[in-house]
Amino acid sequence: DVKVTQSSRYLVKRTGEKVFLECVQDMDHENMFWYRQDPGLGLRLIYFSYDVKMKEKGDIPEGYSVSREKKERFSLILESASTNQTSMYLCASIRTSGYQSSYNEQFFGPGTRLTVL
Amino acid sequence: KQEVTQIPAALSVPEGENLVLNCSFTDSAIYNLQWFRQDPGKGLTSLLLIQSSQREQTSGRLNASLDKSSGRSTLYIAASQPGDSATYLCAVYPSGSRLTFGEGTQLTVNP
Repeated sequence: DVKVTQSSRYLVKRTGEKVFLECVQDMDHENMFWYRQDPGLGLRLIYFSYDVKMKEKGDIPEGYSVSREKKERFSLILESASTNQTSMYLCASIRTSGYQSSYNEQFFGPGTRLTVL
Repeated sequence: KQEVTQIPAALSVPEGENLVLNCSFTDSAIYNLQWFRQDPGKGLTSLLLIQSSQREQTSGRLNASLDKSSGRSTLYIAASQPGDSATYLCAVYPSGSRLTFGEGTQLTVNP
């Protein structure tokens, strides 16, 4: 079974702190994603990566950066956390048979509930 | 721009009832459609993936259909149980690089 893990289930940080959220997948997936989920706004894509050291902005990249130094690991960084970044953060990866394939299936991690005080 | 809509936003049914959740999308140029389940405070669990060339997929008591031409998918849950209570999301994989999600249907199955 595919496994996507996230470093923390719950995290509490203070305004201005630098925050690292880690995501690891064990199935050699090329594509990895970071989303945030907020009531009434649904899932919104922050960043994604289609290969090591490659990244692309999603719909709401402001205030975030990412790092993909190894294929299995995709990190989300909040350079200076703010209260409006309090949210549920979800990492995902795609098993892919090609960049645009009908076999692509996305798998999610358990989520990190981040609270910024 | 692809938009995905799920109706109803919330649904409450008695145990044992068969039910249908609806998902519609505006751009029929998709590679596949995926249904997920999300329990409160948890991540998303993939339930079914329907490729664009398929009409339906089944897994246990779940059956998902896809009609690309009309931009619709349904998730049928047979003989619902309290353990089915969760939020169900659909997502389409359009031409492009990433999924577009609906906002989900919150299902409550009452014992």
